[in-house]
Amino acid sequence: AAGVIQSPRHLIKEKRETATLKCYPIPRHDTVYWYQQGPGQDPQFLISFYEKMQSDKGSIPDRFSAQQFSDYHSELNMSSLELGDSALYFCASSPRGLETQYFGPGTRLLVL
Amino acid sequence: AQTVTQSQPEMSVQEAETVTLSCTYDTSESDYYLFWYKQPPSRQMILVIRQEAYKQQNATENRFSVNFQKAAKSFSLKISDSQLGDAAMYFCAYIEANNDMRFGAGTRLTVKP
Repeated sequence: AAGVIQSPRHLIKEKRETATLKCYPIPRHDTVYWYQQGPGQDPQFLISFYEKMQSDKGSIPDRFSAQQFSDYHSELNMSSLELGDSALYFCASSPRGLETQYFGPGTRLLVL
Repeated sequence: AQTVTQSQPEMSVQEAETVTLSCTYDTSESDYYLFWYKQPPSRQMILVIRQEAYKQQNATENRFSVNFQKAAKSFSLKISDSQLGDAAMYFCAYIEANNDMRFGAGTRLTVKP
């Protein structure tokens, strides 16, 4: 069965650089969620989209933005990167009306 | 705000034995969903089991079952016949309709051969 695809899987950036993470949801899933998981922590919700519109917003810094495109894939744009942004970033998807979220493999971001 | 509490940072079980992981949550809602996710060393988040709050019957998935006590706001996970591959971090998670998912701090499960 198709799963959520995230790219890149690993990313190394310098402080103050920008990064773009991509997420391709499971086919026919119209809702996408982004989470940030720091070392030894539980995942923290950042933002979600339904039908290309932002549906909920969590603890996403103002330096980050995201959008969902017409093909339902989503991109998380991160600017002015800080050391504290080093984390595992998960994307999850679900079909509307079904609360189960299926997670991608994550993107490991390291900011040096 | 809804909170999810996992009071056991670490648990250990002997292979083939049974272990129960605890989870409590706080909410004023009557309609919500609860999940257990498993995160092995690969750090992939894998859905283990799901429970709808409106269902009285406890969910079961092969060796995994839950004890859902709605009045007590408790949602424990029982793993029977534990296997080495069950070793992972287990997260309890809560969600209301169309809202973000809240996770507990996790329980690290070790399986001893």
